[in-house]
Amino acid sequence: QKEVEQDPGPLSVPEGAIVSLNCTYSNSAFQYFMWYRQYSRKGPELLMYTYSSGNKEDGRFTAQVDKSSKYISLFIRDSQPSDSATYLCAMTKAAGNKLTFGGGTRVLVKP
Amino acid sequence: DTAVSQTPKYLVTQMGNDKSIKCEQNLGHDTMYWYKQDSKKFLKIMFSYNNKELIINETVPNRFSPKSPDKAHLNLHINSLELGDSAVYFCASSHLSERRDSVGETQYFGPGTRLLVL
Repeated sequence: QKEVEQDPGPLSVPEGAIVSLNCTYSNSAFQYFMWYRQYSRKGPELLMYTYSSGNKEDGRFTAQVDKSSKYISLFIRDSQPSDSATYLCAMTKAAGNKLTFGGGTRVLVKP
Repeated sequence: DTAVSQTPKYLVTQMGNDKSIKCEQNLGHDTMYWYKQDSKKFLKIMFSYNNKELIINETVPNRFSPKSPDKAHLNLHINSLELGDSAVYFCASSHLSERRDSVGETQYFGPGTRLLVL
């Protein structure tokens, strides 16, 4: 069993819909949680960063962390075709430690 | 003004050859990483250097040898390439920070090097 589990998708939604993504993890030592977006043939780029539990909002993106359930989520409101990409969750125990990634969820937003 | 750059972008080579991938960052970061992304998009850490010192060395065959000539560069040399080495290799960099409200652990990724071993 992988340390971080993520549904590979693809997740197909119509333009304007809310995209809901999530990851579960097994290691309770993880403290820092991130979401990366990766377009085809490009490197991952950081979208959201959260330390410990709680919610964080940035524009159309909302990240949630529930450490008690070992579950993190990313919501994308008013989805656009340009949001079509693979979304990777990542987490780490402390600054300087390695990032452990989920396998990524491919998202398709149809016009 | 690319932040993290890698060369080459594509690398096609025969089994058994030795090849190198280069990475440079101009962000002033003190930590650099090599990741391998397989065909299923799973990203896995291989190595990490902080101030030219190896700090993370995952279970990677010793055919892979990283070298950091300075804080801004981290190269990856691969000996005796095998078919299973075919993947996309990403370099990343970050700046270590103990501030919990910062994005000190934010890793910035390069565009990747697509390696195909025939």
